[in-house]
Amino acid sequence: DTEVTQTPKHLVMGMTNKKSLKCEQHMGHRAMYWYKQKAKKPPELMFVYSYEKLSINESVPSRFSPECPNSSLLNLHLHALQPEDSALYLCASSQFSGVRNTIYFGEGSWLTVV
Amino acid sequence: SQQGEEDPQALSIQEGENATMNCSYKTSINNLQWYRQNSGRGLVHLILIRSNEREKHSGRLRVTLDTSKKSSSLLITASRAADTASYFCATDARNYGGSQGNLIFGKGTKLSVKP
Repeated sequence: DTEVTQTPKHLVMGMTNKKSLKCEQHMGHRAMYWYKQKAKKPPELMFVYSYEKLSINESVPSRFSPECPNSSLLNLHLHALQPEDSALYLCASSQFSGVRNTIYFGEGSWLTVV
Repeated sequence: SQQGEEDPQALSIQEGENATMNCSYKTSINNLQWYRQNSGRGLVHLILIRSNEREKHSGRLRVTLDTSKKSSSLLITASRAADTASYFCATDARNYGGSQGNLIFGKGTKLSVKP
């Protein structure tokens, strides 16, 4: 079982809605990540937080807004999304951000934009 | 951007047989990781092999790394129906800003193990 918990598991939202995806880990990890995965494609990195500070933004559109309220929580705020944003959104964490660290993934949140 | 390429894209075998999946990558790496993903679910970390290692074992898994050929293989021995999943290799490619630990995933191999 994963120790990275994501809610909700499924979300359907309209293009004018504002919603949030939530992620929590209690492993004491100081790096947290958001990945996006389209059907039959590999995960693609969106954001990296290290010590609660945004360290990488992979040119993600501003309609996706990450937030790291504390070292255990990571949110992804969604606003004015497009149907092509429908995907599996994966949260992950690692002890530190760095090349020697194993990254642990949550089960993902399935997002459908209608 | 994509770093790894798995081969084959799909593999179907009978229970008890061995499954071998290959991954090739393009740039220098610090380490290479293998993940499993059951349909529609999150990724499960299987094994990490560092660039100075050539082979690593974990239970029924054997991973090799050949940095001169920029390739890795994942062998699952005595496969079970529960091994049915997609398998991804991922690298922390140095030239992709890998110092931040961001993984670059390959396209994946879809493994089907028939009982």
